[in-house]
Amino acid sequence: GEDVEQSLFLSVREGDSSVINCTYTDSSSTYLYWYKQEPGAGLQLLTYIFSNMDMKQDQRLTVLLNKKDKHLSLRIADTQTGDSAIYFCAEDSNSGYALNFGKGTSLLVTP
Amino acid sequence: DTAVSQTPKYLVTQMGNDKSIKCEQNLGHDTMYWYKQDSKKFLKIMFSYNNKELIINETVPNRFSPKSPDKAHLNLHINSLELGDSAVYFCASSRLDSGGQGTDTQYFGPGTRLTVL
Repeated sequence: GEDVEQSLFLSVREGDSSVINCTYTDSSSTYLYWYKQEPGAGLQLLTYIFSNMDMKQDQRLTVLLNKKDKHLSLRIADTQTGDSAIYFCAEDSNSGYALNFGKGTSLLVTP
Repeated sequence: DTAVSQTPKYLVTQMGNDKSIKCEQNLGHDTMYWYKQDSKKFLKIMFSYNNKELIINETVPNRFSPKSPDKAHLNLHINSLELGDSAVYFCASSRLDSGGQGTDTQYFGPGTRLTVL
């Protein structure tokens, strides 16, 4: 996790957009991922982006990748209270057989 | 039709005991993993197995011994439990094959919350 950095908290109002940012250090990562963890639950894969892409959109989710700056972001449009969770950014490890996770961003959506 | 399942969901035990956590995946994946999530929600890889063979062991104490009886199962046995072992343990699987090919998209189990008293 020390190679993947995320801000720890984000609070938004229902209906607004949320943007969760992540920086990583391994430029050889093939895929970058966003996982969601609701309280007391496991990790749910939200989306992933291949390293040769700049952007990926999937319904309310938009992932932007800036390889030059090693910056990844997740935008959630029209954020709902059900989106409140911890969001983890992850990169392929050097070995290819593990993921390096950030420490997670706690998203709180208020009515 | 659960993809990755773990048992038990909760495990409370005394220091010094030996315990096991079981994991099964029905996705037909070649690679399975164990991660540890500490109280600050930090997730770190412990082990990964490809086709029953150990690929990664990330400086985990010898008290932790993974066992893979077949491709669909990766169990975690912990000897002489310590207070610091209290955490949530997640099993995961992916299609990654022995050559490192295929997607590394990992699918996680629901986690096992281990509390050592």
